[in-house]
Amino acid sequence: GDSVTQMEGPVTLSEEAFLTINCTYTATGYPSLFWYVQYPGEGLQLLLKATKADDKGSNKGFEATYRKETTSFHLEKGSVQVSDSAVYFCALSGDSSASKIIFGSGTRLSIRP
Amino acid sequence: DADVTQTPRNRITKTGKRIMLECSQTKGHDRMYWYRQDPGLGLRLIYYSFDVKDINKGEISDGYSVSRQAQAKFSLSLESAIPNQTALYFCATSDLSAGGQETQYFGPGTRLLVL
Repeated sequence: GDSVTQMEGPVTLSEEAFLTINCTYTATGYPSLFWYVQYPGEGLQLLLKATKADDKGSNKGFEATYRKETTSFHLEKGSVQVSDSAVYFCALSGDSSASKIIFGSGTRLSIRP
Repeated sequence: DADVTQTPRNRITKTGKRIMLECSQTKGHDRMYWYRQDPGLGLRLIYYSFDVKDINKGEISDGYSVSRQAQAKFSLSLESAIPNQTALYFCATSDLSAGGQETQYFGPGTRLLVL
């Protein structure tokens, strides 16, 4: 079945560092890929998404490119801020109307001032 | 106003008690979901509903039941709460795009403690 694997956390970086959180997936067909973010004490929010191969999703300085050849959707940001501290979830949605969203296990990111 | 609301936001109960968590949405979406989140385990799907007359079990439905009272309302019940049901519970909604893919929108969560 479909699955999502993302790097384990926690990830701790200094402010203004470059961020990469790896995500790979297994799916049949042409899934859509997502990154969700969960700030402390809140629910998950959609951060960005990509619906087809080579699409780049971007939002709030974060980017991720849908790479079908490597089945990856890595999250990147060039210069992180303390306010980016959160848990990040990679997810996929299959291309069938019966599909549900599959979430990765989440990666906790902490940014030091 | 929030599009997806959950009540209560926090609840403490005792083992064996019946409790209900409620979810309401104003997004007009057909699909609704209940997840639980445990530390270090990500999200696990409890139940989901693709429309008012449709109810499906997720990966961890044992000990839970749901009711889809209307398109906008989807409630989760613990018939007899036990301590290992202590967790953070999230409701989510979604609608299919023209291409068949969906994006989920989450409520703020209900933190449940079973003593």
